[in-house]
Amino acid sequence: GAGVSQSPSNKVTEKGKDVELRCDPISGHTALYWYRQRLGQGLEFLIYFQGNSAPDKSGLPSDRFSAERTGESVSTLTIQRTQQEDSAVYLCASSFYPDGYTEAFFGQGTRLTVV
Amino acid sequence: ILNVEQSPQSLHVQEGDSTNFTCSFPSSNFYALHWYRWETAKSPEALFVMTLNGDEKKKGRISATLNTKEGYSYLYIKGSQPEDSATYLCGGSYGGSQGNLIFGKGTKLSVKP
Repeated sequence: GAGVSQSPSNKVTEKGKDVELRCDPISGHTALYWYRQRLGQGLEFLIYFQGNSAPDKSGLPSDRFSAERTGESVSTLTIQRTQQEDSAVYLCASSFYPDGYTEAFFGQGTRLTVV
Repeated sequence: ILNVEQSPQSLHVQEGDSTNFTCSFPSSNFYALHWYRWETAKSPEALFVMTLNGDEKKKGRISATLNTKEGYSYLYIKGSQPEDSATYLCGGSYGGSQGNLIFGKGTKLSVKP
């Protein structure tokens, strides 16, 4: 596609349920990032897939959070046993090279609400 | 996790005013500094990527400077317009996790007509 696509755009889930968020990066982009923005907060780094190298998972807030990426394509972010503090907008971004110099292109985000 | 700081947190200006805001970042192991504009209900969009000390970039009425030795960047908007209202994000990338982008909390700019 022309841009980074995220689905669903909105998700309401009950506390304790698992959720899966999807990101389709721009074709050919080797780097993929996940961030979240909780209400009133800044953009918080979660995980970074850097081509064929091991992902940087240092931003994942707990072991309830995990993410996968198949090659240079789709990524899924999974949150198990959701808590109310997981409510946030989850943003995915991709860039052509995993070198830090290349601009990132963002998706529209998934707004997750845990009730 | 590296700490990128932005100030002020929010800013209200009148149409026609010029304004600027600051991004501070750790200078060791630094690769590049990114500025993004994030309008409400849209995705963040890249404004500039800067790497070299003394870099200056310009796009229309918006410009940015970079000082990698002291670890700061300024974003300037000349003659602010209501359509400039957005959150401006600054992000740093570093060695060690090459390419990873760590963002500050942003500066929210509101321009009143």
